Amino acid sequence: GNSVTQMEGPVTLSEEAFLTINCTYTATGYPSLFWYVQYPGEGLQLLLKATKADDKGSNKGFEATYRKETTSFHLEKGSVQVSDSAVYFCALWTGSARQLTFGSGTQLTVLP
Amino acid sequence: GAVVSQHPSWVICKSGTSVKIECRSLDFQATTMFWYRQFPKQSLMLMATSNEGSKATYEQGVEKDKFLINHASLTLSTLTVTSAHPEDSSFYICSGNTGELFFGEGSRLTVL
Repeated sequence: GNSVTQMEGPVTLSEEAFLTINCTYTATGYPSLFWYVQYPGEGLQLLLKATKADDKGSNKGFEATYRKETTSFHLEKGSVQVSDSAVYFCALWTGSARQLTFGSGTQLTVLP
Repeated sequence: GAVVSQHPSWVICKSGTSVKIECRSLDFQATTMFWYRQFPKQSLMLMATSNEGSKATYEQGVEKDKFLINHASLTLSTLTVTSAHPEDSSFYICSGNTGELFFGEGSRLTVL
């Protein structure tokens, strides 16, 4: 079956630090990959996505590249801000499963 | 992107009562909606797939008689937690499918 493994948190960084949150996956077929962000007290918001190998998703300074050879989709940001503090979820979607499979989430706290 | 709205955002109820949570797609028609449950500091677990005009499809381990799902129109799906107990306290999130998933804000249920 499908599964997503995320780097365990929590992660605490100082403002302007570099961020990496690791995500690897196991899937049958050719999944689409997503990063969702959940701010305190809110629902999930799509942060970025990639639908095929070597695609790079990007949004709000965050990037992730779909690496089929390493089955990874690591999230990166060059300079984090306090407002980036949230929980980040890696997820995959396959047409066969017809549902999103989520990783466990990584809590990020950015200190001023 | 598309908008999915959930109501209520917060609900507190007594043990043994039933609670209804609404999920509306505001600017698109959703023949399929998904209901997720999120435990504290954990990932989202798919509970069921709500299908307009037909019965919902429940994931293994989810009690369909306890979590009643109705999808009577293309813009509204409801989740009713029947005879709620403290262990049902959780964050419930719905999503609508337009080819991409859009999530509601979530509903936090606290059962006393």
